[in-house]
Amino acid sequence: DAGVIQSPRHEVTEMGQEVTLRCKPISGHDYLFWYRQTMMRGLELLIYFNNNVPIDDSGMPEDRFSAKMPNASFSTLKIQPSEPRDSAVYFCASNRGQGLNTEAFFGQGTRLTVV
Amino acid sequence: GEDVEQSLFLSVREGDSSVINCTYTDSSSTYLYWYKQEPGAGLQLLTYIFSNMDMKQDQRLTVLLNKKDKHLSLRIADTQTGDSAIYFCAEKAGRRALTFGSGTRLQVQP
Repeated sequence: DAGVIQSPRHEVTEMGQEVTLRCKPISGHDYLFWYRQTMMRGLELLIYFNNNVPIDDSGMPEDRFSAKMPNASFSTLKIQPSEPRDSAVYFCASNRGQGLNTEAFFGQGTRLTVV
Repeated sequence: GEDVEQSLFLSVREGDSSVINCTYTDSSSTYLYWYKQEPGAGLQLLTYIFSNMDMKQDQRLTVLLNKKDKHLSLRIADTQTGDSAIYFCAEKAGRRALTFGSGTRLQVQP
């Protein structure tokens, strides 16, 4: 398996534009997580899905952020409209089951810069 | 709520031992993890320890857990330049998602 695949790797956009980040989890994994990493806040959980259903979106910062998982092999994180403070590295991760010793596998991240 | 804290930076010389510390607040944490993030990459699981253990050793890595003080440490023996990375402590309880610390940047000087 190629691992968790995220696209794009880098995104530079102007303030006010819509940004869509994409993630393909590892085949067979039923949990998918979106994280945001910044110098100030470290690694924050934004939302996670189980079997394509959002379970906890309490980490989503504002209504400008939305995430979908239309099927088991694809998820998107959308920011509309984007703001400079959204600049960060966004990670997608997936795992099989949610047992206590389950390892989460991370994608390489999307570095978003909003100017 | 859950909180995991780490120091931000550690610098060691090649060949020395590195000790990265972490504290957490959730007494119901059952598994504790160490992840490594190399530049430009995602996080990779290094090792984990179950809360009923005090110590776990895996080659150059030693994890120590003091459950009473809610303190976790990662010791890297004979630290190499390839160990330079950000190390994240994380905890998990029940079916909740992982809670990560802010990461400790380890710099290994030749």
